[in-house]
This record gives sequence, C-alpha cells and structure tokens, in this order.
Amino acid sequence: DAGITQSPRHKVTETGTPVTLRCHQTENHRYMYWYRQDPGHGLRLIHYSYGVKDTDKGEVSDGYSVSRSKTEDFLLTLESATSSQTSVYFCAISTGTGGGTDTQYFGPGTRLTVL
Amino acid sequence: LAKTTQPISMDSYEGQEVNITCSHNNIATNDYITWYQQFPSQGPRFIIQGYKTKVTNEVASLFIPADRKSSTLSLPRVSLSDTAVYYCLVGMFSGGYNKLIFGAGTRLAVHP
Repeated sequence: DAGITQSPRHKVTETGTPVTLRCHQTENHRYMYWYRQDPGHGLRLIHYSYGVKDTDKGEVSDGYSVSRSKTEDFLLTLESATSSQTSVYFCAISTGTGGGTDTQYFGPGTRLTVL
Repeated sequence: LAKTTQPISMDSYEGQEVNITCSHNNIATNDYITWYQQFPSQGPRFIIQGYKTKVTNEVASLFIPADRKSSTLSLPRVSLSDTAVYYCLVGMFSGGYNKLIFGAGTRLAVHP
C-alpha cells in the first residue's frame, strides 16, 4: 500500500455533524489526493495537494475542505455532513513530479455513512 | 479534460486472454494512458502505463495505436483472481499537476 494509511476506516455519523478523515503517508511524497467513490461513478477527485499548505479543488469539492500542515498528513473535512456525502473515500499519493507519467498509489479507503 | 469510454462489464474464463478497449478521442499531446485495477474493498492499484505503441510488464500489455484515440489492455491467461474493476485513465498535465479522471471502469468477471 505504498505506506499510506487512512483513519478511521469506517465511520457512521449524523447529518449536520463535522467529520474529519485523515490520510497519512510515510513516503514523503509531495502530491496527495482525496477521492470519493460511489456506485456508477468510479472515483472522483475532491481535492489535492501539491505541497505543505498548497491545495486545490478537484471536480467535486463542494462541501469539503482540506488541510496539509505537514508533508505526511492530508486531512479531509466535511464541515456539516449530508447524506449525499455517504461514500467510500480514498486517499492517494503520487510518486513523481505530478507530470504525465505520474503514478498514484491509493490507501485502503474510509467508508463513511451519514444518517 | 480527456474523458474515457470503456465497456461496463466483460466476462471471461480462466486461461483465456482478455482485451479491454478504452476510447479517449480528446487525448492531448502530453497525456499518458494509465490502467488501474481495483478489487472490492480496496483502493485502485496501478497496472500499466504507456504513451504510444506497445508496453508490456509482468502482468499486462498495453497497445496504443498511432492516433492514440484508443488503447487496449491485454491480460494474458486470466485467472479467477483477475476478477476486478479495471479503469482506463488519461492524465491531463496542467499547472504542474497530473489530474487523473476516473470513469466508471470495466467490471471483469472471470469464470472457472
């Protein structure tokens, strides 16, 4: 798993509560990503980071925020969880410079259920 | 952004060769083509990547024609453990970052 861990692995929460998911890497790679996976949609990019305190939006960023205060940790926050955010969340790191040949390695995923 | 189109599902039998074709009509000059494999309850795993012609590694081959508007992942002699979802991705290199767009993937079922 290329030294990537995610916590928690499973979480059930209620609508309106804040939730923070953590991605931790031991590889010291510059690029980190958060995806969500839903049936019929494959994986969709939420946010990504290209360095400490450097982040940008992906295609489905509404309702999510991220932070990266150190190289090894990338946090995804749902400020006020909604049922539409029930999903499996994957963190990924990339091994290269972010260019065309970059390869991404994925964590084990976090299954989030919002009731 | 270059988008990809793949078959939703495929069936095969153990020992057969499986070819999964992906179309990416709007691929740009700087884009590479990458394939990932995903098993249930796991994150996607890199299989192979190429730019043009043919690439081969220990698990698969990737064929890319000259116009690069499609690509074919070839899995030789599949086994039951190859049952998974396979994603074709075309990366868009923009602003120093490679944005990968995942489609719905192809669900491959290998039967005994």
